[in-house]
Amino acid sequence: AQSVTQPDIHITVSEGASLELRCNYSYGATPYLFWYVQSPGQGLQLLLKYFSGDTLVQGIKGFEAEFKRSQSSFNLRKPSVHWSDAAEYFCAVQGYNQGGKLIFGQGTELSVKP
Amino acid sequence: EPEVTQTPSHQVTQMGQEVILRCVPISNHLYFYWYRQILGQKVEFLVSFYNNEISEKSEIFDDQFSVERPDGSNFTLKIRSTKLEDSAMYFCASRDDTDTQYFGPGTRLTVL
Repeated sequence: AQSVTQPDIHITVSEGASLELRCNYSYGATPYLFWYVQSPGQGLQLLLKYFSGDTLVQGIKGFEAEFKRSQSSFNLRKPSVHWSDAAEYFCAVQGYNQGGKLIFGQGTELSVKP
Repeated sequence: EPEVTQTPSHQVTQMGQEVILRCVPISNHLYFYWYRQILGQKVEFLVSFYNNEISEKSEIFDDQFSVERPDGSNFTLKIRSTKLEDSAMYFCASRDDTDTQYFGPGTRLTVL
C-alpha cells in the first residue's frame, strides 16, 4: 500500500539557519511527489512538486526538494529560514490511478526561534 | 490568480443534522476532491469526482456522505446525519492538467 512517512513531528530551528524536513514514501513505482505548507488556520499551499526529470526541484518561498529514488525520499530544504516559515509542512504522494488521490504524511510542525 | 473557494469557513451543527459544505473549484479544472483533517491528525482523502461521477472513494466515505456538482461551478459535500467524529477541517481541491491539486481554505465542521 502507498504510504508517506515524515519522521519528525516537530522541528525548531533558529532564524537564518538551514532547514531539512524529511519525507519517505512507499510506492511500487515513482509516484508524483508534493510538498504543501499549512499556516495556522489556513488551507494547504503547494510549495513544490516532482513528476520526473531533474531530481532537484525548486519551489516557492526559496524552498527546494531532492528526489532520491534509492532512498525513497523527497526531503525539503531551505538554506536560510525566516520567521514567517513557521507552519506545518506536509509531504504527499499521488499515484497513477484514475482518481489521482493524494496520500499525505503526518506533517512536520516547524517552529522558528529568533 | 484563480483559487479554490469554500463556504462556510466554520459550520457548527448538532449531532444527527445534515450539513452541506460548498466548494467552487478553479474554473477549467476537471477533477475535484474532498479531504478531511481531524484536529492534530494528517489530511485524509475522502473522495474524487470526475465527469459527474465518483472516481474513487475511501473507506471513510460511507453512505452518510455524498457529493454533487449541482451546476457548472459548485461542488458540494453532504453529510446526511452528522456524528461527533465528523468534526474536522474539510478541504476541497481541484486538479489541473498537470496533475497538480490546489486546495481551498477549508471548512471547519464542529458537531455538538
